[in-house]
Amino acid sequence: QEQLQESGPGLLKPSETLSLTCTVSGGSISSYYWTWIRQPAGKGLEWIGRIYSDGSTNYNPSLKSRVTVSVDTSKNQFSLKLSSVTAADTAVYYCARDNLIGYTTSWGLYAFDIWGQGTMVTVSS
Amino acid sequence: DIQMTQSPSSLSASVGDRVTITCRAGQTISTSLNWYQQKPGTAPKLLIYGASRLQSGVPSRFSGSGSGTDFTLTINSLQPEDFATYYCQQSYSAEYTFGQGTNLHTK
Repeated sequence: QEQLQESGPGLLKPSETLSLTCTVSGGSISSYYWTWIRQPAGKGLEWIGRIYSDGSTNYNPSLKSRVTVSVDTSKNQFSLKLSSVTAADTAVYYCARDNLIGYTTSWGLYAFDIWGQGTMVTVSS
Repeated sequence: DIQMTQSPSSLSASVGDRVTITCRAGQTISTSLNWYQQKPGTAPKLLIYGASRLQSGVPSRFSGSGSGTDFTLTINSLQPEDFATYYCQQSYSAEYTFGQGTNLHTK
């Protein structure tokens, strides 16, 4: 059974760069999209960005200037960097598999079918 | 980006009830609409993809419908474990967006 596990520092100071890694176990990172999502305490889900195993990316326009998602297929890992963090970036950060899970007659259907447990990141001086 | 609006934001119900949650997209998204369930302290879980397709292992009391801009998630015969927060999410655009969530709680 494929599993995802987030790792990285849980406490940052304002203006620092958030760096998280998601390790994929029980399966290959190849030939899938992988995504980052965050959730501030008591609030809803916000999609951050995704990467395909070949390195192609898509980002949330509201975060695009500060976000970089990368992949290391040799380690079966993908990573998130978010620069110039503020208190507004305090959240639980999830990694997930963005899977081509089905088809219509015209295109593929994507959904987040496997999730990590999430890691809390706090930005505070 | 495509705005997703869920209603209601909060819903009270009892075990055995039938409940419906609505999600509206800011533009047509065909059937590229997913539903997730999230319980406190845990990651979301995929329930429905492609607007109406039940994810493997999800009980058949969950169903989804809709296309274009208007979608619904229906839960028949609510069970105690169904009280949670539900989110819709569009995968039509490569810049994904979620609805704001619907908190389903006991009456």
